[in-house]
Amino acid sequence: DAGVTQSPTHLIKTRGQQVTLRCSPKSGHDTVSWYQQALGQGPQFIFQYYEEEERQRGNFPDRFSGHQFPNYSSELNVNALLLGDSALYLCASSLDGATNEKLFFGSGTQLSVL
Amino acid sequence: AQKVTQAQTEISVVEKEDVTLDCVYETRDTTYYLFWYKQPPSGELVFLIRRNSFDEQNEISGRYSWNFQKSTSSFNFTITASQVVDSAVYFCPPNAGNMLTFGGGTRLMVKP
Repeated sequence: DAGVTQSPTHLIKTRGQQVTLRCSPKSGHDTVSWYQQALGQGPQFIFQYYEEEERQRGNFPDRFSGHQFPNYSSELNVNALLLGDSALYLCASSLDGATNEKLFFGSGTQLSVL
Repeated sequence: AQKVTQAQTEISVVEKEDVTLDCVYETRDTTYYLFWYKQPPSGELVFLIRRNSFDEQNEISGRYSWNFQKSTSSFNFTITASQVVDSAVYFCPPNAGNMLTFGGGTRLMVKP
């Protein structure tokens, strides 16, 4: 039973570029949440997708957008990259949108913006 | 809005010592959930426990135990007889709607 998988594991981009990160949820899960974790800090909630729609969004600009596909996998897109976007991006999955249940996290994508 | 404070940014112990990680939260919700997650160097956050606001019973799981006290808004985590594999960053986020609110975490280093 595969857990949450994220790709790529590492990525290097330059300022102004665009990036797409991918996440496959744990088998049987239908809800995907994305978090940004800067070095030495706790994860910050970006948004959550359920039934292919963004259900809740954290305090992130519109440069951050996402998508959920019918197979429940998800993408996180970041446009016009800034140096401050350098971080570990974590994907988490759960069932039926419930966050009072435990989340299963992937190992993340480490994004470096130069 | 939810908020969590983990005042201990870093703790260093020697293997087999007991260690307690403190967690103080703030919430205006009457019903809420609290969690503990562990983040080893691999980066993946690992679920440890979930507690709802109505259940103040302490819980023990092997070497781990949790003390939830609603009166002081604390949800502390104790590791008994620590091991090197316990070295990680530990977070205690409450949930707010569909999101978890993480603080800065506590980095635990267990030395052999």
